[in-house]
Order: sequence, then structure tokens, then C-alpha cells
Amino acid sequence: DGGITQSPKYLFRKEGQNVTLSCEQNLNHDAMYWYRQDPGQGLRLIYYSHIVNDFQKGDIAEGYSVSREKKESFPLTVTSAQKNPTAFYLCASRTGILNTEAFFGQGTRLTVV
Amino acid sequence: AQSVTQPDIHITVSEGASLELRCNYSYGATPYLFWYVQSPGQGLQLLLKYFSGDTLVQGIKGFEAEFKRSQSSFNLRKPSVHWSDAAEYFCAVGGGDYKLSFGAGTTVTVRA
Repeated sequence: DGGITQSPKYLFRKEGQNVTLSCEQNLNHDAMYWYRQDPGQGLRLIYYSHIVNDFQKGDIAEGYSVSREKKESFPLTVTSAQKNPTAFYLCASRTGILNTEAFFGQGTRLTVV
Repeated sequence: AQSVTQPDIHITVSEGASLELRCNYSYGATPYLFWYVQSPGQGLQLLLKYFSGDTLVQGIKGFEAEFKRSQSSFNLRKPSVHWSDAAEYFCAVGGGDYKLSFGAGTTVTVRA
């Protein structure tokens, strides 16, 4: 089945540790996205990429890093510099055609203790 | 910079009544506009989208939205709400650089 896979579904980390969230898609989509979802704040864009080896900062990129070495993969690293990392993280992808919709993964809930 | 404002955080509507969710966007050129729904414990599902052409677009589950360039709005409507429409609704705007920005969402509660 085609789709977007985020793993793991739940992740716990100690404060001060970096953690990497996985996002893989087999839809052959060019563009991929990372969002953070907090209650009352909607989906806030962290990073996005529309081509391999290139990515752009979103609205809340501080404390996060990404890579896009393969078309199907777009991992997100939450670094120790992120002040409030506990959140629900969503990955999305869409084709290279701008009027197409994004498809979302099921999300990863990160809890930093 | 592009952005989306959804002025209503929470709306309560009676089953069978009409529903309208507001969305205002900011974007310098012709936007790509989307409405998504997220039910509790579910992922985001596309309801409808607008790119060009007829400003009134029809979506799934009986929803429609109207694009008004003069008001920078893309409001979502449904003539008669069902209890299963209780969910969180997100408006999104896309631009020519592939950036896709979402609003803060509107939570809809349906009362019997």
C-alpha cells in the first residue's frame, strides 16, 4: 500500500538529548513537510523540501534539523536547543504539482522528560 | 509571507443546522487553498481544494467552500451538520515555492 510512514508512534527522551523522527513515503512525491501540532496552535511548519538535497526553513525551524538525501525519506532531528520539544509531529508529502493536496502520516508523539 | 487565520477557535452547532467556518489568508499572488478535517485519533483528510476557476468548490461529505479574492477568504460551509462532523477543521494556503501553511484550526462540536 502506498502511503507515508512515521515511526515511532510514541517516543520518550530525556531532556538534553537529540532525537530523530523518521518519515518515509512510497508515493513518489517530490515535496515533503514536517509540522508540529500543539493544542490551539494548529499545524506549524518546521521544514519543507521539494527536491532531494534541498530544504527550506518553515516558521518554527529553530532547534530542529532535517536532511533529504533520498526522495522517499525526510527525517527530522529535534535537538537539545529546542526549548519545548514535547509535541505531536506530523510528516506530509505531495507531488511536484502545486495545486495538489498533501498527504499526512499518522504522526509521532514526542515526550521529553 | 503567507499565513492563514481561522478566527473561530470553537464552534458549537446543533445537528441538522448549517455550519460555516471562516478562513482568511495572506498571500501575494494567486493562492492554492485547502480545507482539511481531523477527527479525534485520526489523521488529516482533505475536504476540498481551490486553485482556479469556479470560486465555489464542492468537496466530500457535503462540504463546499467559496473563494473570495476581494476578502482574502475561503470559508467552508455545510447546509446540514451530522453528528459525525464533530472534528477539528484546518484551512491551508500553498504558494509557488511549495510552502504549505495551516491555520490554528476550528473545533466543531455537534449537539443533539
